Amino acid sequence: SQQGEEDPQALSIQEGENATMNCSYKTSINNLQWYRQNSGRGLVHLILIRSNEREKHSGRLRVTLDTSKKSSSLLITASRAADTASYFCAPWGDSGAGSYQLTFGKGTKLSVIP
Amino acid sequence: DGGITQSPKYLFRKEGQNVTLSCEQNLNHDAMYWYRQDPGQGLRLIYYSQIVNDFQKGDIAEGYSVSREKKESFPLTVTSAQKNPTAFYLCASTAWRPGQNTEAFFGQGTRLTVV
Repeated sequence: SQQGEEDPQALSIQEGENATMNCSYKTSINNLQWYRQNSGRGLVHLILIRSNEREKHSGRLRVTLDTSKKSSSLLITASRAADTASYFCAPWGDSGAGSYQLTFGKGTKLSVIP
Repeated sequence: DGGITQSPKYLFRKEGQNVTLSCEQNLNHDAMYWYRQDPGQGLRLIYYSQIVNDFQKGDIAEGYSVSREKKESFPLTVTSAQKNPTAFYLCASTAWRPGQNTEAFFGQGTRLTVV
C-alpha cells in the first residue's frame, strides 16, 4: 500500500518553538497530504503537496517534498498549545490496477507545552 | 453545509452480536473509506470503495462487511466474527480520479465498545 511512516513518534516542545515532523513512503505518488487529529476526533486536512512541487506554505505550516528520497516534512512555526495533536501523512497514488487507497501511518504525537 | 456524518457517536455491542455503523456524505465524493483506530495507534484501513456497488478489502477486513448501494452511503457492519471489535471507527470520503483534489473529509467517529 501507499502507507507513509511518520517520524518521530512523539515530539514535545515549548510554546513558540518550531516543530518538524517527517514522513517517508515507498512508492510513486500523485500528491502527499498532511492531516491533524485532536484526541478522540476525526482527522482534519491540513495541506496537500503535489508530486511536481517541492515546497508549499499555508499560514504557519511549511511542507517540503523530495520525491527522489520519497520523503516529506511538515514544519509548524511558532507553535501554540492549541497545536497539540497527532499529525499524519498520507501519500496518494495508484497502489496498483487503478486502486487509490488512502492509508496512514502511526502519526507523530506533538505536545506543545505552554 | 457539505460534510460527512457518522452515527452513532457511541455504540455498545454484546458479544456475538452484529452491529452496523452508519456513514453518510453529501460531498458528491466517489470514494469512501473505513478505518479502525486503537488507543495510541494510527489508522488501519478496513474497507474502501471507489464507486457505487464496488468495494475492496483493506489491511484488516476480516470480521467486517460493507455495502455501497448509494454514492452517499457506506455502512460498516462489525460481525460476530470480529473477535476484538472495541475501537474507534472513522469514515472518510474523497474524490479519487487523478487530477482531482483528493483531500479527504472525515466523520467524527464512532466509539464501539463490547460489553
